[in-house]
Amino acid sequence: QVQLQESGPGLVKPSETLSLTCSVSGDSIRGYHWNWVRQSPGKGLEWLGYIYYSGSTSYNPSIKSRVTISVDTSKNQFSLSLVSVTASDTAVYFCVRGNRPTPGGYWGRGILVTVSS
Amino acid sequence: DIQLTQSPSSLSASVGDRVTITCQASQDINKFLNWFQQKPGKAPKLLIYDASNLDAGVPARFSGSGSGTHFTLTISSLQPEDFATYFCQQFDNLPITFGQGTRLDIK
Repeated sequence: QVQLQESGPGLVKPSETLSLTCSVSGDSIRGYHWNWVRQSPGKGLEWLGYIYYSGSTSYNPSIKSRVTISVDTSKNQFSLSLVSVTASDTAVYFCVRGNRPTPGGYWGRGILVTVSS
Repeated sequence: DIQLTQSPSSLSASVGDRVTITCQASQDINKFLNWFQQKPGKAPKLLIYDASNLDAGVPARFSGSGSGTHFTLTISSLQPEDFATYFCQQFDNLPITFGQGTRLDIK
């Protein structure tokens, strides 16, 4: 059974970098697209970007200058880095598998990240 | 960005009712639309992909239709576990975008 698990700090200071990792179990990371989606009360669901297992990426232009998604096939993990965070980056962050270039049927439980000093 | 507008934003219904939720896209997205169900404190769950295809394990009372700019999600006979928030999501054009959600409550 495919499972995704987000990990990382739940509290990040303004102007610092938010870093999250998604660990995938039950299947190989190869062959799929791996997305990050966040959800905040003010903005609803927001797609941040995805990475194909080979390393090609696509990002939401709204955060493109601040975001990097990377993959480590040897560890069956992928990661999100978001620099220069502000309070508006406070949200629950989900990692999501896609059989195609879109979020699909496998989601992590989500991790709440709060940006506050 | 493609805007997805769901209607209604909220809906009250009873067990056994037939319910339809609409998703209107700001431009033609062919059939590149997914529907998700989300319960409080949980991740969204994929119900329908490519506008009308039921994901594995999803009950047959759920159905989706539409293409172009107008899409619908129908629940033929509401069950207690169906009370949740529903989102549409398009992947025809980047960035991928979601509708604002439709909250389905018990009447």
